[in-house]
Amino acid sequence: DAGITQSPRHKVTETGTPVTLRCHQTENHRYMYWYRQDPGHGLRLIHYSYGVKDTDKGEVSDGYSVSRSKTEDFLLTLESATSSQTSVYFCAISEEGKSGETQYFGPGTRLLVL
Amino acid sequence: GENVEQHPSTLSVQEGDSAVIKCTYSDSASNYFPWYKQELGKRPQLIIDIRSNVGEKKDQRIAVTLNKTAKHFSLHITETQPEDSAVYFCAASDGTGGFKTIFGAGTRLFVKA
Repeated sequence: DAGITQSPRHKVTETGTPVTLRCHQTENHRYMYWYRQDPGHGLRLIHYSYGVKDTDKGEVSDGYSVSRSKTEDFLLTLESATSSQTSVYFCAISEEGKSGETQYFGPGTRLLVL
Repeated sequence: GENVEQHPSTLSVQEGDSAVIKCTYSDSASNYFPWYKQELGKRPQLIIDIRSNVGEKKDQRIAVTLNKTAKHFSLHITETQPEDSAVYFCAASDGTGGFKTIFGAGTRLFVKA
């Protein structure tokens, strides 16, 4: 499982509240990603990181921010949660080198915004 | 940017039959094409991948083919078994920009015993 954990695994929150999801990896990978998964849309990239303090936007970044202060942790924050952000969130890493493009996923966080 | 389309969205086959899932991509710069399998409530897991310098790759009952000219690639599962039932995602990457990968919408495969 590429040493990736996510916390929390499940969360219920109310509209307008801030939410932070954590992704933790133990194998010192440079690249980390946050995706959301919704029926009919597959996996859509929210933000990604290519090193400590180096992040960039994905295709669905509105309403989300990220931070990476340590190699092992990549945080996703919903500043003011909305019902449209109800989804399953997956963190991923990719390995540099020969198979640098291959992404490996964490177990996911199921978020419900009421 | 890259766009990946995947068909069909749902596929039902009899155990022992073959299943084929097709994807097309838009960016000719894409050079890496992984396939993921996701069982209910689980994370997506890589099952096979292919690079643009290869036309076909096989791993036991699964195979992937790539047609760069037509910009499409396919997943073939032979002798399907009930445990093959899952959602399958294709994806494409050009290996740049932090190895950003664009995923198809997924195919839900049902294998009937």
